[in-house]
Parts: sequence; structure tokens; C-alpha cells
Amino acid sequence: IAGITQAPTSQILAAGRRMTLRCTQDMRHNAMYWYRQDLGLGLRLIHYSNTAGTTGKGEVPDGYSVSRANTDDFPLTLASAVPSQTSVYFCASSPGTSGRASYNEQFFGPGTRLTVL
Amino acid sequence: SQQGEEDPQALSIQEGENATMNCSYKTSINNLQWYRQNSGRGLVHLILIRSNEREKHSGRLRVTLDTSKKSSSLLITASRAADTASYFCATDARRDDKIIFGKGTRLHILP
Repeated sequence: IAGITQAPTSQILAAGRRMTLRCTQDMRHNAMYWYRQDLGLGLRLIHYSNTAGTTGKGEVPDGYSVSRANTDDFPLTLASAVPSQTSVYFCASSPGTSGRASYNEQFFGPGTRLTVL
Repeated sequence: SQQGEEDPQALSIQEGENATMNCSYKTSINNLQWYRQNSGRGLVHLILIRSNEREKHSGRLRVTLDTSKKSSSLLITASRAADTASYFCATDARRDDKIIFGKGTRLHILP
């Protein structure tokens, strides 16, 4: 692994199903983020984590949950998917020293294209 | 929420010309970043400018920041076909660590 990876690449999901999007980085970055990208709306922050063991809510957290059990992994879970969650999901990480994650550039994964029917 | 807004939404120019994109934001920031996204790919960081900086260069890129006007510009000189992409500014608020992205400018370089 080099950088940040996401799985799956794409997924079609029935409404009401539970789904976990995976994100793994090997750069030992402190901070990690989940965004969704929708046409005309740009990127919107769902949840973030400044360091392992902590998480926070972004702009659009409803319907999503995250965990950060270790430095490398930051899974995003949709407990009961709805069609409005159809989107492209990007995971990102940044070095984030001294709790000031926003001082560093973010490195993005390739994205997961999710369709909820 | 505080957010950067890019202008224009879309821009088409001839190869070799300069491309200028602007970003405006609402509240005081620590820094401002510009990212590029090629179609179907993740975002790639281009440049970060801190609130106490006024101008920064990286290759063919020049970024300016005017904190009094709460605006930034990204200039790409001598554009190439490979510069065709969407460009996003990202800003943070001094109160928290969250970075907010704008909706982006779609740049198309014509041959």
C-alpha cells in the first residue's frame, strides 16, 4: 500500500441495507476525513478525526457514523442507506500536527461511487 | 457554514493562455488551499497559502491572498491540455480544524 486506499471502488446498494466504506492510509497521518461529492455541490465534509480515538461531525453527518480505532483505518458506515446517499465518497488524510489538522495539505483516496436504489 | 466560493463556475480558454480563478470566503482563516481534480479521480493538493502571506508561486501556478477582501486567486500561466480539470479552494476557520471546500471551477483548455 502506498498512500491512501478506499474500498470498494463502486457499489450498488438496496435502500435500507447497511454498508461500510473502508479507508486505509499508510502515511501515519494523524487526521482523516470523509467527504461526499455531488454534482453542483462540491465536496462536503461528513465526519473527521484529528487523531486515533477521536472523531467529529462535519457539515452533513446525519445517516453516517465513523470510528477511529487506530491510526491507519477510518471506516464510514451507513446504518440504513437511503437514495439521497447516492454519491461519490472520498476519504482523505493529513499529517495534522499539534491538533491543527487544517495547517496541512490533505491526501485523497481514489473515491467510492455508491448508488442506493 | 463558512465556505469558499469559486468564480467562475466554468472557464474555457485556448492552450497557451493564462487561466485565472477566484475564491471568496466569509470568515477569518488560518490558511487557504487550492486543489485540482481530474475527472473521476481524487483531489490533488496544489498549494497552501497562510493568512500572513500575500503571494505564493509553484511552477506555473501563482496564488494571491487578500485577507482584507477575503479573497484569493489562482493563476495558471501558459496553460496546457493537461490542466483541464476542476479546481477547488479550501478554507478553514480560526476556531476549528475543519476544512471546507468550495464548489469548484471547471477549467477546459481548448487545443
